[in-house]
Amino acid sequence: GIQVEQSPPDLILQEGANSTLRCNFSDSVNNLQWFHQNPWGQLINLFYIPSGTKQNGRLSATTVATERYSLLYISSSQTTDSGVYFCAVFGSSNTGKLIFGQGTTLQVKP
Amino acid sequence: EPEVTQTPSHQVTQMGQEVILRCVPISNHLYFYWYRQILGQKVEFLVSFYNNEISEKSEIFDDQFSVERPDGSNFTLKIRSTKLEDSAMYFCASREVLNTEAFFGQGTRLTVV
Repeated sequence: GIQVEQSPPDLILQEGANSTLRCNFSDSVNNLQWFHQNPWGQLINLFYIPSGTKQNGRLSATTVATERYSLLYISSSQTTDSGVYFCAVFGSSNTGKLIFGQGTTLQVKP
Repeated sequence: EPEVTQTPSHQVTQMGQEVILRCVPISNHLYFYWYRQILGQKVEFLVSFYNNEISEKSEIFDDQFSVERPDGSNFTLKIRSTKLEDSAMYFCASREVLNTEAFFGQGTRLTVV
């Protein structure tokens, strides 16, 4: 099955700094989503981005499907950005199940 | 904005007891899923459900697990005889059709003691 690898596993930033999180996947995908898991454990949808670039406020994402990676950019980070960021994909499955990466744990210090 | 709703948010149960986790997917969605996340680990797929039947299940989804869509709106996950290792956060998700965004509920944190 598809393998999803995220890097870095952990990231510590000072408030106001920018960061880039990476998601590599091992095969062609039909769907890629980025999630933020908040301290209460909720999975918050950030982007549905099987290809191309999208922006939402301080966050943006780019997926280069032909090269099998996606990037999540966080600019001017805030303490509320802390948490775990997951990338999830599905490929040829006809059920739409998502395969998650291990996540990047982000801590933003004031 | 429509959302996936899960109840309860937290459940504590004795080992060996049956639990039912409940989910109300978004109303026009056709594909339904359960995932679980053991504390500190990644989110793992359990089962997918489409057209009133299981369409795929993982190795984790053994005979002690079952799913139902009893009334056209609710979607439940039953664990027949809970074990300590079933302690996890369980997420329900739904999507309208394939190749669209999946939406997740807020999760049910199951603690087996």
